[in-house]
Amino acid sequence: GDSVTQMEGPVTLSEEAFLTINCTYTATGYPSLFWYVQYPGEGLQLLLKATKADDKGSNKGFEATYRKETTSFHLEKGSVQVSDSAVYFCALSDLGSSNTGKLIFGQGTTLQVKP
Amino acid sequence: KAGVTQTPRYLIKTRGQQVTLSCSPISGHRSVSWYQQTPGQGLQFLFEYFSETQRNKGNFPGRFSGRQFSNSRSEMNVSTLELGDSALYLCASSLLEGGAATEAFFGQGTRLTVV
Repeated sequence: GDSVTQMEGPVTLSEEAFLTINCTYTATGYPSLFWYVQYPGEGLQLLLKATKADDKGSNKGFEATYRKETTSFHLEKGSVQVSDSAVYFCALSDLGSSNTGKLIFGQGTTLQVKP
Repeated sequence: KAGVTQTPRYLIKTRGQQVTLSCSPISGHRSVSWYQQTPGQGLQFLFEYFSETQRNKGNFPGRFSGRQFSNSRSEMNVSTLELGDSALYLCASSLLEGGAATEAFFGQGTRLTVV
């Protein structure tokens, strides 16, 4: 079945460092890909999305490019801030073929940014 | 526009009891999905409802059930609670476009503790 694999955390960075969180997926159809962020005690917030190959999603300085050839959707940010400390989830939704809103999530990567 | 509202935010129940959680989606959203989040298993899909019909179901025992009302509000029920049901239960709503769901918007979740 479809699955998502994220790099294990926690990831600890200093403020203004470059961030990469790796995400690869397995899917039989043509999934849409998402990054969600979860702050302590909160639900998930959509960070960015890409719906087809070579699409680049971006928001709040974060970027991710849908790479079909490597089945990847790595999250990057050029300069992290303390306020970026959270858990990041990569997810896919095979909207096209199954027509549902079901999301399959990776295990999540905890990011801690130190001043 | 109000976001996804889940009630209650916190619950403590005893093993063997049953519990009902509620979710009010964003106005105009007709697709509602439920997820269970635990430290060990991560985020797992429970079920999705659209127009009062269950469209998709995850791999959970029959003790987990749900329903959706005509106003799109949804409830999930867990009967005969077990200690392992302790988790954060998240509800997500999606807008349907062309029959397919767009990105999901999550509520803050209900933290269920079974003692």
